[in-house]
Amino acid sequence: DAGVIQSPRHEVTEMGQEVTLRCKPISGHDYLFWYRQTMMRGLELLIYFNNNVPIDDSGMPEDRFSAKMPNASFSTLKIQPSEPRDSAVYFCASSVSGNEQFFGPGTRLTVL
Amino acid sequence: TQLLEQSPQFLSIQEGENLTVYCNSSSVFSSLQWYRQEPGEGPVLLVTVVTGGEVKKLKRLTFQFGDARKDSSLHITAAQPGDTGLYLCAGENTNAGKSTFGDGTTLTVKP
Repeated sequence: DAGVIQSPRHEVTEMGQEVTLRCKPISGHDYLFWYRQTMMRGLELLIYFNNNVPIDDSGMPEDRFSAKMPNASFSTLKIQPSEPRDSAVYFCASSVSGNEQFFGPGTRLTVL
Repeated sequence: TQLLEQSPQFLSIQEGENLTVYCNSSSVFSSLQWYRQEPGEGPVLLVTVVTGGEVKKLKRLTFQFGDARKDSSLHITAAQPGDTGLYLCAGENTNAGKSTFGDGTTLTVKP
C-alpha cells in the first residue's frame, strides 16, 4: 500500500502565481481532507470531502483557495493568486470513517 | 467549535525518563486519536480510544480516555530519542467525519 501520495513535495513560487497541490488518497478511503500547518496556527482543516463531495469548506481562508475532487483517486488544492502568507506545509489525509486519518508527506509551499 | 488544549506545549527530557502529556476539552468526543509527527513528515496515527475510562497500551506508550470522554493522556515509560516528535490529539464529537486537532506537544528526548 503506497499510502497517501502528494505532489509536489516542495514548491517555491512568486507572489501572484497560481499554485496547484495534488493528492492521491488511499484506495477505498471515502474521506479526503486538506490541512495547512504553520508554527503559529498549528494544523488547520481547510476542507474535506466525502465520496468526492465537498462537505465542509469553512476552513478555506478566502476565495483565493479552491479544492476539487473529480474522482475517488485524485484531489487538487489551488491557490490563485498566491501570497507570502500562504507559505506553509499543506497536508492531504484520507480515511475510511473520517476519524482515523492517514496523512501524506505534505507539500512545503514557499511564496516569495 | 470544539477546542482541544494540549499540555505541556514543549517538553525536553533525558533518555530513560517517564512523561505524561495531556489533551483536554470541555466537549464530549465520540472518539479520540493520538498522532505522532516527525520533522518533515505527516502525522502518523498511534491509537484511537472510544470508551470512557479506556486504557490502551502500545509498547512503552499508555493512552487513557477520561471517564467523561472529554480528556485524554499519553504516558511514555523510559523515553527514548526515537520518541522525539510532535504529539497531536484529535477528537471527533459526532459521526460527521471531521476531527478537531489540538496544537500538540513537542517532545524532545535527549540521549
